[in-house]
Amino acid sequence: AQSVTQLGSHVSVSEGALVLLRCNYSSSVPPYLFWYVQYPNQGLQLLLKYTSAATLVKGINGFEAEFKKSETSFHLTKPSAHMSDAAEYFCAVGSRMNRDDKIIFGKGTRLHILP
Amino acid sequence: EADIYQTPRYLVIGTGKKITLECSQTMGHDKMYWYQQDPGMELHLIHYSYGVNSTEKGDLSSESTVSRIRTEHFPLTLESARPSHTSQYLCASSDRGGDEQFFGPGTRLTVL
Repeated sequence: AQSVTQLGSHVSVSEGALVLLRCNYSSSVPPYLFWYVQYPNQGLQLLLKYTSAATLVKGINGFEAEFKKSETSFHLTKPSAHMSDAAEYFCAVGSRMNRDDKIIFGKGTRLHILP
Repeated sequence: EADIYQTPRYLVIGTGKKITLECSQTMGHDKMYWYQQDPGMELHLIHYSYGVNSTEKGDLSSESTVSRIRTEHFPLTLESARPSHTSQYLCASSDRGGDEQFFGPGTRLTVL
């Protein structure tokens, strides 16, 4: 069984400050891990994905995430927030073991950027 | 950019009408999904398909139905829309189960 928990439904950071969105997962098999971003009235767009290669994964728009197996975490970071980063962010866990598996989404974190 | 399309983008209809939300993808993916999402809220999987003639109900019970007659097409139908069906509906597809899903832009449905 798999699950994902996003800590904090809302996160506010000042423009130019570090962005840190937290995600912890549970998986009985080696996981795939994903971060998606959703802007208002749009679908989800993949930011980055971990598939068992490098533990530090770089994505689009300056975001990166680090897979930490010992902590079962996959936190999303960006060194300097921009106003355009304001959006909803979803962490998700999948599996590379079963081709019929679905991916499980967290409940989302709304990122607010303060001027 | 993912080639997955949803129409209409916005739909406002009256109670009792029958509607079909269209979803098409040009990536040849076998697996397709429908999610329901209230504004600013989490995603709820309502239907999925592993391929042609395969449809399954998701984790959230829904009065909608789906069909998969062609690989690229996965329409969702509501026989009699009600205000409780007001929501955003997102379609997605993937090449492999458990792997990345590609999302369409969504259909925002309002039932008056």
